[in-house]
Amino acid sequence: QKEVEQDPGPLSVPEGAIVSLNCTYSNSAFQYFMWYRQYSRKGPELLMYTYSSGNKEDGRFTAQVDKSSKYISLFIRDSQPSDSATYLCPPRTDKLIFGTGTRLQVFP
Amino acid sequence: EAGVTQFPSHSVIEKGQTVTLRCDPISGHDNLYWYRRVMGKEIKFLLHFVKESKQDESGMPNNRFLAERTGGTYSTLKVQPAELEDSGVYFCASSQVIYEQYFGPGTRLTVT
Repeated sequence: QKEVEQDPGPLSVPEGAIVSLNCTYSNSAFQYFMWYRQYSRKGPELLMYTYSSGNKEDGRFTAQVDKSSKYISLFIRDSQPSDSATYLCPPRTDKLIFGTGTRLQVFP
Repeated sequence: EAGVTQFPSHSVIEKGQTVTLRCDPISGHDNLYWYRRVMGKEIKFLLHFVKESKQDESGMPNNRFLAERTGGTYSTLKVQPAELEDSGVYFCASSQVIYEQYFGPGTRLTVT
């Protein structure tokens, strides 16, 4: 079983939609989770991180962790075409463990 | 503040040749990481420097890969001799706070 699993997508939504991006993880020892955004042919860009269980909000982005079900989510409100990218959710450890990422496409 | 920079952005070499990738971390960041993504796979950890010391090199695939970090500043990753399966994108990241890693744009390596 992979340590981090994501649906690779693509997830295609119209501009203005609320987007939900999800990850599951296998190791209950993970406490913190990061969200990275990666544009095509660029390096991953740190968006935010959150501690296990609970929500964290930053502008249009909300990260949510459900430790009991080992499930993390990133919600994007009022999605924009500029949000089109791959989203990655590595656990916050000294070496990042990446899943496949979910490719998001927001069309005008 | 300048971000993490990597050079070259793209390298095409023949099997058996040597390639050296360079990473300049964000100034003041003691932690430096190398990762790579091979075609169709997830980004995988290669190794972690703290200043000039190798903290964790458990992800290095084999002894054809040699990483150095002279004086705790920039780092190089040498592949010698390169094989076809080494093709991919090599990312460098740096951090001061150990968990907040900032990535460079990557070096795309193509071995033919």
